[in-house]
Amino acid sequence: DAKTTQPPSMDCAEGRAANLPCNHSTISGNEYVYWYRQIHSQGPQYIIHGLKNNETNEMASLIITEDRKSSTLILPHATLRDTAVYYCIVRRRSGGSYIPTFGRGTSLIVHP
Amino acid sequence: EAEVAQSPRYKITEKSQAVAFWCDPISGHATLYWYRQILGQGPELLVQFQDESVVDDSQLPKDRFSAERLKGVDSTLKIQPAELGDSAMYLCASSLSIAGSYNEQFFGPGTRLTVL
Repeated sequence: DAKTTQPPSMDCAEGRAANLPCNHSTISGNEYVYWYRQIHSQGPQYIIHGLKNNETNEMASLIITEDRKSSTLILPHATLRDTAVYYCIVRRRSGGSYIPTFGRGTSLIVHP
Repeated sequence: EAEVAQSPRYKITEKSQAVAFWCDPISGHATLYWYRQILGQGPELLVQFQDESVVDDSQLPKDRFSAERLKGVDSTLKIQPAELGDSAMYLCASSLSIAGSYNEQFFGPGTRLTVL
């Protein structure tokens, strides 16, 4: 089953870029990588997803290595409100369906 | 903006009692998920519905947990009897996804369960 590995915690200065790594070496060839974040006491919130190419939206950028074994979520100008747990997710196959699997995530603390 | 609704937000119960949680997904979302999140861990999928059908419930402790989505809209998750280890946040999410594809999951605020 595909799974992900992330550092348990990171910190970043406000205004600087936050680079959050994820290892997903067992991902299958046609599966996407997804990123969510969870601010304390709230439900997770979708950030971005990608397959092979780098992706960017209004929240973040996603850089995926050419071999697809790892990726990095980039918050270009972190703010205090970006303090949250960030989850890198792949799906596991269950019969004919694909099931999202969360790991423990990375707790990002943005400090002044 | 449409949101996933969950109730109650908080529930305190004694062990061996029955509890039930309700989720109303975003209108038109065919896929509904129930997750359990223990403090300090990531959400763990308990059951996934596609319309009224269960797609996956491999992580659902079926001796005490049950879930239904009778009309393919709202859903109920039940625990009977509750045990101390069931204390957790129970999250509901929904998405437009259809088989083989993926769409963004929208999460509700969760139900915080405490079993005494």
